[in-house]
Amino acid sequence: EAGVTQFPSHSVIEKGQTVTLRCDPISGHDNLYWYRRVMGKEIKFLLHFVKESKQDESGMPNNRFLAERTGGTYSTLKVQPAELEDSGVYFCASSQESGVVQYFGPGTRLTVT
Amino acid sequence: AQSVTQLGSHVSVSEGALVLLRCNYSSSVPPYLFWYVQYPNQGLQLLLKYTSAATLVKGINGFEAEFKKSETSFHLTKPSAHMSDAAEYFCAVGVDSSYKLIFGSGTRLLVRP
Repeated sequence: EAGVTQFPSHSVIEKGQTVTLRCDPISGHDNLYWYRRVMGKEIKFLLHFVKESKQDESGMPNNRFLAERTGGTYSTLKVQPAELEDSGVYFCASSQESGVVQYFGPGTRLTVT
Repeated sequence: AQSVTQLGSHVSVSEGALVLLRCNYSSSVPPYLFWYVQYPNQGLQLLLKYTSAATLVKGINGFEAEFKKSETSFHLTKPSAHMSDAAEYFCAVGVDSSYKLIFGSGTRLLVRP
């Protein structure tokens, strides 16, 4: 069974540009989470989908971040326009319907210059 | 509010020595507690979890952790370190019914030959 996959693995963009990160959860997992680790800081929760619905987006930093999960399958996280402080590693995780355990993807390292 | 504190951003041990990584949590309700490991250039991998069953939890690769409610601790141990254990370790608490995770700041384990 394939694990959580994320694309791209690395992205380098200039300040003001747009970037879209993609996450494919484990097949059949209703819950999908996005987290971010800024350099030197702890991993922080961004938002949680249950199927295609946003259950909790309390961790989203500001309205430059837009997450979607069309059809309850893969999810995208768009940053527009990107700022320097958006640099970090973005992790996606998924879990079963009432699952306690989250399975993480390898992360996308975003560098904004 | 829930929080997690990991004492020591870096821990160095000799190969064959005891590994002890400390984690203290703050939670207003019985917590779900996790240890994740991130090997170089990889994603987060679940080591073990506590979900209110046995207080001594065994995980993969010879690691175990003990939940101590009186001390609000969930320290990770391994009797004998191996070179392959060199990685960054994260303690996390699962929050509310969504199980979103609050992470500690991570501890990087260095194993000396």
